[in-house]
Amino acid sequence: AQSVAQPEDQVNVAEGNPLTVKCTYSVSGNPYLFWYVQYPNRGLQFLLKYITGDNLVKGSYGFEAEFNKSQTSFHLKKPSALVSDSALYFCAVNEAAGNKLTFGGGTRVLVKP
Amino acid sequence: GAGVSQSPSNKVTEKGKDVELRCDPISGHTALYWYRQSLGQGLEFLIYFQGNSAPDKSGLPSDRFSAERTGGSVSTLTIQRTQQEDSAVYLCASSFKGDRVGEQYFGPGTRLTVT
Repeated sequence: AQSVAQPEDQVNVAEGNPLTVKCTYSVSGNPYLFWYVQYPNRGLQFLLKYITGDNLVKGSYGFEAEFNKSQTSFHLKKPSALVSDSALYFCAVNEAAGNKLTFGGGTRVLVKP
Repeated sequence: GAGVSQSPSNKVTEKGKDVELRCDPISGHTALYWYRQSLGQGLEFLIYFQGNSAPDKSGLPSDRFSAERTGGSVSTLTIQRTQQEDSAVYLCASSFKGDRVGEQYFGPGTRLTVT
């Protein structure tokens, strides 16, 4: 069965510092990986996805993620965090047998000024 | 253009009552998904519709849960004889073509509280 793990419930970072949110996955076959963000009182928003090709994927709001097949990881990164990046981040994988997303448990990011 | 809309935004109901939650997907999107977001449970898949194909109901937690999609557009998620453990935020998403590489666009959710 496919699964996604986000080992950190919360990440605290000072504004201007680099931000990393970790994600590891387990799938049969090739993974299709996604990051979504949920701001307070708002729906999930798509950030970026990895399908194939370059292991470094760039997405919205200055975020990027690096696909590492050997470590089965897809960590989300931002070089310089903003207070407005404070939100709940979800990593997800698309299952081989269908189109439903399997989500990680989410990581709350708190960026302090 | 308009995003995915859901109604009601909040619903409080008594245990044992039936509830209906509505989702209007993005126009032109052929795939529609329902997920549930519970405290301590994260996001879980419930059901998936793609065009006129039979829906993937593999995530429905019990036979009290059902969903339909009329005319390939609006969808209704029905929970019969609600229980307190059904309290959660129910999220609807839609995507174009339903292919696995397409990102899903989520609505704001319906917060269901069963008292």
